[in-house]
Formats: sequence, structure tokens, C-alpha cells
Amino acid sequence: AQSVTQLDSQVPVFEEAPVELRCNYSSSVSVYLFWYVQYPNQGLQLLLKYLSGSTLVKGINGFEAEFNKSQTSFHLRKPSVHISDTAEYFCAVIRNTGGFKTIFGAGTRLFVKA
Amino acid sequence: DTEVTQTPKHLVMGMTNKKSLKCEQHMGHRAMYWYKQKAKKPPELMFVYSYEKLSINESVPSRFSPECPNSSLLNLHLHALQPEDSALYLCASSHAVRTERLNTEAFFGQGTRLTVV
Repeated sequence: AQSVTQLDSQVPVFEEAPVELRCNYSSSVSVYLFWYVQYPNQGLQLLLKYLSGSTLVKGINGFEAEFNKSQTSFHLRKPSVHISDTAEYFCAVIRNTGGFKTIFGAGTRLFVKA
Repeated sequence: DTEVTQTPKHLVMGMTNKKSLKCEQHMGHRAMYWYKQKAKKPPELMFVYSYEKLSINESVPSRFSPECPNSSLLNLHLHALQPEDSALYLCASSHAVRTERLNTEAFFGQGTRLTVV
């Protein structure tokens, strides 16, 4: 079975400051990893994904994430946030052997202050 | 076209009503999903259809009835709902075989905000 832990339920940060949203996962099999963003009253939008290869992946809106297999982490970072980045961020995994179940973390609310 | 379209965007229904939520995609995906999302929580999987057949039912009450009429459409029929069923209902789609050669992620619609009164 897989599980995902997002270590911070809320992260307040000032505009133009850097931010890191933390994600740890547990799995007995290899997984693909994702970060999704959800703006208020919207669906989920994929920010980035790690499948294999380079451990640093770049996504949309200036976000990037680093896969660390030894620490089973997939932290999301942005060097300078904007007010418009205020949203809920979900880390998620699926087994890389297939399957339909995406396992989501509890979510982190990023609140960017002016 | 990388969109999953859900209708309606908002729905208010009484506990004795029957209504349906609709979802459509034209990405050639053969897996389609219904999720329920309560406020400040992650999405919870309800149903998965693979090649138009019900593949997963996560012990959802029978007042929710899914239907997949063809490879592009997914419906969720609602009957005799309770106020606690009020939530954002999300539809998603993906390739039925999720490997690096194909897209691995699920694409989500904007959701239907359901209120049961």
C-alpha cells in the first residue's frame, strides 16, 4: 500500500519570498509522483510529475520539485511566489506498475500575503 | 483538447430529487473516475470505469449510481441524497494503462458543487 504525508497543513508566506511545500511518501513498490494545484472552487491541475530519470523536475508556473529516493520525499519549491499562487497543493502517488488509484496527501494551503 | 468538461457547475437538490452529473472528455482516455471532495480535504475516489466497465466501487452508497454510456461520457445519477452528501464532485480521466510511454496523470474537470437541502 502507498501513503502520502504532507507535513504542513498551511504555509503563509510573503509575496516574492521563496517557498517549500513538503511531501513524504511510503510505498513497498515503485511509484510515480505528482503535485497538483487546486484554486478555489476549481478542479485539480497538474503542476509537475516525476516518472524516472533526473530527480529535479520543473513544472508550470515556475514550480519545481526534487525526488529524493533515500528520504522518500518529493518537496515542491518556488523561488519567488506571487499572490496568484494562493491555492491548495496536493502531493500524490500512483504505482508505476499500473493501477487506477491515485493516493493523495491531505493537502497544503499556500497563502501568499502582500 | 486536454479538457474534462463537467456539467452542471452548481446544483442544489432536495433530498427527494433525482438528478444527474455529467462528464465528457475527448482525449481518447479509456479510464474515467468520479471523486468526492469535502472542504479542505483531498479528493476521495468513488468509482472507476475502465473500457466502459465499472472497475472500482469504493463502497459508495447506492444512492449514487454511475453510468458510462460510451468511452467519452460518464454520468453520476443521484437519488435520495442526504445533506452530508453536499460536496464538490470531480470527474477525471486517464489512459487505462498508465506508463511513461503514455501520459501517467489523471486530468480533472472543474467539478460540480452539489448542495443537498
